This record gives sequence, structure tokens and C-alpha cells, in this order.
Amino acid sequence: EVQLLESGGGLVQPGGSLRLSCAASGFTFSNYAMSWVRQAPGEGLEWVSSISGSSTSTYYADSVKGRFTISRDNSKNTLNLQLNSLSVEDTAVYYCAKVGEYCSSTSCTHYYYYYMDVWGKGTAVTFSS
Amino acid sequence: QSVLTQPPSVSGAPGQRVNISCTGSSSNIGAGYDVHWYQQLPGTAPKLLMYGNSNRPSGVPDRFSGSKSGTSASLAITGLQAEDEADYYCQSYDSSLSGVVFGGGTKLTVL
Repeated sequence: EVQLLESGGGLVQPGGSLRLSCAASGFTFSNYAMSWVRQAPGEGLEWVSSISGSSTSTYYADSVKGRFTISRDNSKNTLNLQLNSLSVEDTAVYYCAKVGEYCSSTSCTHYYYYYMDVWGKGTAVTFSS
Repeated sequence: QSVLTQPPSVSGAPGQRVNISCTGSSSNIGAGYDVHWYQQLPGTAPKLLMYGNSNRPSGVPDRFSGSKSGTSASLAITGLQAEDEADYYCQSYDSSLSGVVFGGGTKLTVL
């Protein structure tokens, strides 16, 4: 069974740091791009970052560029997100997601921005006053 | 303000049909990028409902269908059931932003 399990969320103070992880199982992890998507309380989904299967390319939303760093360890089937310079606006549940592949009649291609076919249950980042 | 615009809410009685629209622009849907749809039941993670505009993943009932035309896409749900009550999100890619974009979400209420 394909599964994603996030960890690392918790209480943090403004300006603080946190490292989120996502353990993947049930598929060949290195073959797929992966993404992080967050959802603030009562709000919609917001794409945060994506990484190619080989870690060659990384992509970030403007709202987190320069503060967050995505990485992966294909030997451990793990996706990571380093969150620095956190602000209250970063309060959210953070989901990791496996990115599906685009397939034509002749071949399949991995676009980081394509659909997300498997999601974890999420890990919450909240701020202490 | 989301790059992709969805109605905040839609509703319908059991057995009826509802449509959820997703309106974009020439830098995303209108540029030819595919639209995908997710269903988020209360308190749970999003689940892929439709990919590549009109393709259903295995296990998604054929009561759900998707379409795309011009700068817009639409998700149709026929034979509404109480279990369909959820939030629905569209997603695509925006070349101006160079990133993944989501609609603001639509809350479906089954009356």
C-alpha cells in the first residue's frame, strides 16, 4: 500500500525553525517528484514546494522562498522541509504529496506541477504566544 | 485571492447534479495546462478526485466527471449523495508564477 507519513510539526516561536519529514512507502520513491502543500486553519490549500525525483530541481512558492528548503533522501525514502524564519502566517497543517506522472500514448513524463495522487495525513505547525 | 477562482459554496439535494467551476486565465488553464480536482472530507487530507482534466483515478465513482474549455474547468457530480459533502479544490500550473496553483475551494452541501 502506498503511504506517506509526516512528522516534525509542533509549537514554535516567531523567528524559529522546524524540520518536517515525510516517510514514504509502497512505491519506488526516487522515481517521483514530491511536494509539500499547506493549509492554514479554516483556509484553502496552498502549494509550498516541490522537488524532482533525483533532487536535481527544487521549486518554491514566493511566500516561502529563501526561508524554506526542500530536500529528499532517496536511500531512506524520506522527504524533508526545513522551515526557517517562521512567522505566524506559516501556521498550517503541512501535507506531503506524491506527484503523479503525465502519460501520453507513447511515454510518461514527470512534471513537478502535475497532480498529487497520494497525500499524507499532515503535520501541524502552530505558534506559541 | 486565489489565481484559480471557484465559487465558495454550492448545494444540491440528494440525487441531483451540481457543477463546480474553476476559472483561470491565459497563464494557467488557458495556456493549456491540465486541471486536477481534489476532494477534502471534513478533518481529513485531500484526496485526488480527477486528474488531467477528465480522468478518474481508480475507485472514484463515475458520478464524478471533469471537463475543461478555454480558461475554465468544471467538475460535475451527478446523483448527489450525503457522503459527497466536502470541500473541492481545483489545481493547475501557472507559467507567470512558475508554480502550482489551487482554487480557493468550494464547499458542497448536500441538502
